Parts: sequence; structure tokens; C-alpha cells
Amino acid sequence: GENVEQHPSTLSVQEGDSAVIKCTYSDSASNYFPWYKQELGKGPQLIIDIRSNVGEKKDQRIAVTLNKTAKHFSLHITETQPEDSAVYFCAARLGGSNQAGTALIFGKGTTLSVSS
Amino acid sequence: DAGVIQSPRHEVTEMGQEVTLRCKPISGHNSLFWYRQTMMRGLELLIYFNNNVPIDDSGMPEDRFSAKMPNASFSTLKIQPSEPRDSAVYFCASSHPGSPHYEQYFGPGTRLTVT
Repeated sequence: GENVEQHPSTLSVQEGDSAVIKCTYSDSASNYFPWYKQELGKGPQLIIDIRSNVGEKKDQRIAVTLNKTAKHFSLHITETQPEDSAVYFCAARLGGSNQAGTALIFGKGTTLSVSS
Repeated sequence: DAGVIQSPRHEVTEMGQEVTLRCKPISGHNSLFWYRQTMMRGLELLIYFNNNVPIDDSGMPEDRFSAKMPNASFSTLKIQPSEPRDSAVYFCASSHPGSPHYEQYFGPGTRLTVT
């Protein structure tokens, strides 16, 4: 079946450093790639997303890049802060449909720890 | 906006018992998703509904699992009989048909422990 690989599984950085999380996907028809942040005891929350007709998207300290040819996409967090510590998930929406209710396939998650 | 509501937040039950998890999607959302999260397998999609109709239940692990959506504002996930390996956090998520980003909004989850 379709698959999303996410690396690294854990990432520790110092406050102020940058953090990069990378994902690859297998479904070449995938056209939507969201990133979710999950804090302890809570459900995942969408933080940024990118669609296949865009190569890069930025929102303040976070940015996402997409390489459709290589089927890679990455999350970049600059000037990290302790409150950025959480588990981050990448996902890819299965392609072939314009319906909003189509499944997302999630990566296994990256636990980011930002120390002050 | 109350967000996606799930109940109960925590459930502890004995092996063999029936468990029912409940979800109320965000008003106006017409797609609903049930996920299971474990350390070993991460976030797995179990089943999703569009307009109360099950679209894909290929993620439901066994016949012991069943899900229903009797109306646009309520869904249940039932496990009967429950087993210790069903212990996990179960999330419900919903999305809006008009969303340009196909965003899924997650509930807080139900932590299920089967002893």
C-alpha cells in the first residue's frame, strides 16, 4: 500500500537553532501534504500544509518545501523555542480525488526537543 | 467553535468487554475519520465517512471493530470483544467539503486501556 517515511524519529536542538524534518511518499498522485504538531495529551493540530502546485510555503518561523519529482517534502523550523517541543507528523493525501474526505497517510512522527 | 468532541477521554476495561467510543464532528463538516495511535504503528486510519456513508474501512483491524455514523453529528467506534492489544489512543477527525486545504481537525482522543 501507499507509504510515508519520516526522518529522523527524534531530534534535539538548542533554542535558537533550526530544525529540519524530512518525509518521502510513495503515491505519485498525492497532491496535498500537511504537517501536524501533537503536544502531550492532545490531538494532532495542523500547522502548515502545501499542495503539489507549490514548491515552498512559509508561515513565520515554519516553512515547508516540496520536491514532487523526488517525492520528498520537508518541514523547516527556524529560531526554535522550547514551546516548539512536540511530536511532528507529516502526511500525504492519497491522490486521484478532489474530494475533501480522502484519506491521509501519516509518517511515524518526529519527537522534537528544544532545550533552553 | 467547540471543535471535535470525543468521549470518554479515558476508558479502562477488561478483556472481553464491549467498548464504545463516541465522536461529535465540527458542525458543518461532512467527512469524519477514525484513527488509532500506538507507539509501534503510529497514526493509523481505521475508517472514514463522507456524508455519513463509510467510504473506506480497509484499516479496521478485525471484525471485532465496527463504526457507525447514524447522522451528521455523531459517530461511534465499537470494539467487541476488546483485547489487550486494542490498547491505544483513538482519535476522531473531521473535515469540511469546502475547505481548500482538505484540513482535518482532530479531537482530543480517547485513551483506551484493556487489561
